[in-house]
Amino acid sequence: EPEVTQTPSHQVTQMGQEVILRCVPISNHLYFYWYRQILGQKVEFLVSFYNNEISEKSEIFDDQFSVESPDGSNFTLKIRSTKLEDSAMYFCASSAGHGNYGYTFGSGTRLTVV
Amino acid sequence: GNSVTQMEGPVTLSEEAFLTINCTYTATGYPSLFWYVQYPGEGLQLLLKATKADDKGSNKGFEATYRKETTSFHLEKGSVQVSDSAVYFCALSDAGGTSYGKLTFGQGTILTVHP
Repeated sequence: EPEVTQTPSHQVTQMGQEVILRCVPISNHLYFYWYRQILGQKVEFLVSFYNNEISEKSEIFDDQFSVESPDGSNFTLKIRSTKLEDSAMYFCASSAGHGNYGYTFGSGTRLTVV
Repeated sequence: GNSVTQMEGPVTLSEEAFLTINCTYTATGYPSLFWYVQYPGEGLQLLLKATKADDKGSNKGFEATYRKETTSFHLEKGSVQVSDSAVYFCALSDAGGTSYGKLTFGQGTILTVHP
């Protein structure tokens, strides 16, 4: 069964450093997403990406964050100047369409900012 | 805006007990509804979904019926197993809205099943 692959599985970084979280969506999927889950809290939407541009973003997704998919087969989330409160599990997801389609999630990257 | 409310956890059951996890939603459009499961140390897996009113989603013995009149999508299983211990998330996607398919999640319900 096709999978969404995320790397690394765990990243520890110092406050103020930049991190890049990587995702390989399912090959025929067109919509890409990033979500995050702070420990013990609900899963929160960060951003959706379609046709090589951001289609929607949440209030959380401020100038500190950026996404890109230069070749359409990889999808990255960059967090500049990380803060302690960025510590969370970050999930990538992809979908063939939106709305009624299922979303396939990766296993997540646990980001720890120290 | 859209929101999803799940029953407070954690839920602790004995094996073979009946499970209900309540989920209600608020949406501006005509949402699709989902249940996701997260096993310890793993990502989110789609458990079941329903895309319109009165649809019933089912998988692995779990069921949920899309009730538009009560804006609910309660998860049920007749006989739980130890292997069902996980966190369960109810979610919606506003198919008819301008949202590009983002999911709005409930807060999650921890289920622990004892032998």
